[in-house]
Amino acid sequence: EVQLTESGGGLVQPGGSLRLSCAVSGFTISRHWMAWVRQAPGKGLEWVANIKEDGSETEYVDSVMGRFTISRDNAANSVHLQMDNLRAEDTSVFYCARVVGVLISFAGGIVSAKSFDQWGQGTLVTVSS
Amino acid sequence: DIQLSQSPSSLSAYVGDRVTITCRASQTIDVYLNWYQQKPGKAPKLLIYAASYLQRGVPSRFTGSGSGTDFTLTITSLQPEDFTTYYCQQSFTNPITFGGGTKVQIK
Repeated sequence: EVQLTESGGGLVQPGGSLRLSCAVSGFTISRHWMAWVRQAPGKGLEWVANIKEDGSETEYVDSVMGRFTISRDNAANSVHLQMDNLRAEDTSVFYCARVVGVLISFAGGIVSAKSFDQWGQGTLVTVSS
Repeated sequence: DIQLSQSPSSLSAYVGDRVTITCRASQTIDVYLNWYQQKPGKAPKLLIYAASYLQRGVPSRFTGSGSGTDFTLTITSLQPEDFTTYYCQQSFTNPITFGGGTKVQIK
């Protein structure tokens, strides 16, 4: 059974730091890009960051660039999100997700269509004084 | 950034109804469009990937269609467990973006 379990959330003051972790079981993360997606209370979903299978590439939404760092420990089958200089607007439930690419036929060729196919239950981060 | 506009933002329907949710992209995204279902307090669940491919284990009453900029999610014969919120998401280019969501309510 696939399980992604986030931890590390909590209450932090503006300007503070938190490190989220995502422990994975049921599949080997070294074969997948992994991602963090967040959801502010009562709001929609927002992609935060991605990391390549071997950690050699990372991608971020502009609003967290330079403040958040995604990393992975393939040996421990876990993914992390270091969050520094937190702001009130970062208050959200943070989800860890697996990125899966499926080859499909489109426009006369074969392309890889990516989606988030497995998600954790989320961990709440509250930034407030 | 690619903006995804979902419509309607909410709708009311009866059990057994057929409903259609639309997602319009601000520029072409080919078929790089996914649909998720999210129940209150739970993580999103992938329903449809690449615009029209049904994720394994998802009931066949969910169908997706479209390409380019206009996409639809159709639920035929709404079941009680389908009354919740749905999001579209594009994976054409970074930043990955989601639509604002459509809440399906029971009439």
